[in-house]
Amino acid sequence: SAVISQKPSRDICQRGTSLTIQCQVDSQVTMMFWYRQQPGQSLTLIATANQGSEATYESGFVIDKFPISRPNLTFSTLTVSNMSPEDSSIYLCSVDPIGGGRSGYTFGSGTRLTVV
Amino acid sequence: AQKVTQAQTEISVVEKEDVTLDCVYETRDTTYYLFWYKQPPSGELVFLIRRNSFDEQNEISGRYSWNFQKSTSSFNFTITASQVVDSAVYFCALSEVGGATNKLIFGTGTLLAVQP
Repeated sequence: SAVISQKPSRDICQRGTSLTIQCQVDSQVTMMFWYRQQPGQSLTLIATANQGSEATYESGFVIDKFPISRPNLTFSTLTVSNMSPEDSSIYLCSVDPIGGGRSGYTFGSGTRLTVV
Repeated sequence: AQKVTQAQTEISVVEKEDVTLDCVYETRDTTYYLFWYKQPPSGELVFLIRRNSFDEQNEISGRYSWNFQKSTSSFNFTITASQVVDSAVYFCALSEVGGATNKLIFGTGTLLAVQP
């Protein structure tokens, strides 16, 4: 299965600023996924990022707030823009199973964001 | 639309007890994947199992077992002789096969507390 390096692992940010989260995969993947996990909650899909095209956003998430880049098949970034305390969450990137079989989706270790 | 329901928000057991975590899913697809993930207090997501919709065989892996029943759209997870290290949030998840994005949809999670 793929290995994902996600950074930063955590950050404390001021209200109104932006943070860019990076995910690097050790192999080429078609789709990358970005999730948000609010405190004590489940994972909610923000968007799906394909290389060479605009990301597909889920209901309730917009590009102006969560712009995503996908410059190549091993890398993606998610920016949380104009942050407010409500954006305090864990953000995770993921890729779907490579090679099929019985593998699971692989997740980055997460970025724990606190907005003050 | 796809949906995963984990009705049990929290379960508390004493070590060595058996415990079953319930998962009910909804999908209009005939082909799909089901997953279980473990999220310990450290926060990382640990992949436990993937099940294909056309494979209804139950599975056992050590103290873990899974019961997949398409007739009731359920994919339940049993831990036998629970241990304190099993304390975590457990997520059931569903993804379609061959769809536009193969996105993974999570249930709300079940917090399992195993008391010594």
